[in-house]
Amino acid sequence: QKEVEQDPGPLSVPEGAIVSLNCTYSNSAFQYFMWYRQYSRKGPELLMYTYSSGNKEDGRFTAQVDKSSKYISLFIRDSQPSDSATYLCAMRGWGNTDKLIFGTGTRLQVFP
Amino acid sequence: DGGITQSPKYLFRKEGQNVTLSCEQNLNHDAMYWYRQDPGQGLRLIYYSQIVNDFQKGDIAEGYSVSREKKESFPLTVTSAQKNPTAFYLCASSTDGYSNQPQHFGDGTRLSIL
Repeated sequence: QKEVEQDPGPLSVPEGAIVSLNCTYSNSAFQYFMWYRQYSRKGPELLMYTYSSGNKEDGRFTAQVDKSSKYISLFIRDSQPSDSATYLCAMRGWGNTDKLIFGTGTRLQVFP
Repeated sequence: DGGITQSPKYLFRKEGQNVTLSCEQNLNHDAMYWYRQDPGQGLRLIYYSQIVNDFQKGDIAEGYSVSREKKESFPLTVTSAQKNPTAFYLCASSTDGYSNQPQHFGDGTRLSIL
């Protein structure tokens, strides 16, 4: 079993829809959670960075962490065609030698 | 503009050849990382460096080598011992390797076999 599981998609939605992207994980030591957006042939771009459980909002994006269920989500409101990309979740423990563990990414397509 | 610059964007390797991928950052970050990205797999850590003149192996270091002689530079050499080098290589950096600050990425180098 992988430490981080993420549905590869593709997830196809109409413009204006609310998108929900999710990751599950198995390591209860993970404390820091990130979402990256990656356009084709580009490097990942940090979207959201959260610590422990709870919600964090930034514009149209909301990151949610449920440590009791080992489940994290990224919600995108009023989705736009420019949101079409692959979304990677990533997480790590609190130790200073802990590595960042990535999901495989979910490909999102927003059509006009 | 501060950022991470990877070059070249595309690189081709012949059999038995070593190739070097460049990564330069002007963010004044102490820590730098190299990842490999293959379709259907998450990013896998090759090497990382938390300070100049020091680096550590990641999960898939075999067939790769690095150096960290300057804070802003962390080149990766893909040696002929790496039998399956075709992949998208990503360089990242963070403030330091100890304070759980997020990593920021360059735009990658795509390496292919000729």
